[in-house]
Amino acid sequence: DTGVSQDPRHKITKRGQNVTFRCDPISEHNRLYWYRQTLGQGPEFLTYFQNEAQLEKSRLLSDRFSAERPKGSFSTLEIQRTEQGDSAMYLCASSSFILRTSVNTGELFFGEGSRLTVL
Amino acid sequence: SQQGEEDPQALSIQEGENATMNCSYKTSINNLQWYRQNSGRGLVHLILIRSNEREKHSGRLRVTLDTSKKSSSLLITASRAADTASYFCATGANSKLTFGKGITLSVRP
Repeated sequence: DTGVSQDPRHKITKRGQNVTFRCDPISEHNRLYWYRQTLGQGPEFLTYFQNEAQLEKSRLLSDRFSAERPKGSFSTLEIQRTEQGDSAMYLCASSSFILRTSVNTGELFFGEGSRLTVL
Repeated sequence: SQQGEEDPQALSIQEGENATMNCSYKTSINNLQWYRQNSGRGLVHLILIRSNEREKHSGRLRVTLDTSKKSSSLLITASRAADTASYFCATGANSKLTFGKGITLSVRP
C-alpha cells in the first residue's frame, strides 16, 4: 500500500448527470476525509468518517452530495444532478486517530484528487 | 469557511535565498500544519506544530507558532527550484483541518 488512491483522476460530464468518485485510504487509517478545492483556493472541508461512521458534514455538502464508507475501508462521494458550480478538484485524505494519545487532528495523507469538469 | 490567511499571496525568490511565509488564524487550535501542493497534484504534509510548542524544525524547514497573536510562520532556507509550489497552512481543531487560500512560491534557478 503506497498511499491514498482516488479514481477517476479526471471526469468530464454534462450538467445534470450523476458522478461518483472513489477513494481508497491507507489501509491502517481509520479516518477518511473529503475536501473540495477550486482554482486558486485552499481545500474546503466537506465531510469525514471514522471507520464507517460519518461524523461531520459541512454545509457545503448539499442534498445532491452523498458520501459513504460502508465497511470502513474505501469511500465513495456521489454528486447527483451536477451543476457547473460543482466543477472542482475533489480531494480525499486519510489519517490515523488514536484516542488514548489524544491526537485529535494529526497529519492528513492526501490522494492526487479527482478533477471534475461539468459542461 | 477558511480560517487561515497566508501572507504574502505570492512570493518569487532566487534559488539559494530564504522564503518566509506567514499565516494568521482566528479561533483556538490543537495544532497548526503546513502543506505543499504542486500544480494539479494532491497536498503533501510538511510539518506540524502543536499549540503548546513555539518552534519546530524539519530539515530546511522552520515553523514558529505564536498563539497569543494567532499566527505562524514557515521559513524555507536555501531554497531550490524544486520548492516551487503552493503552500497552505491548516489549523487543526475539532477533528478536522481548515486550510487557508495558500501562497504561491516561485523559486527562480
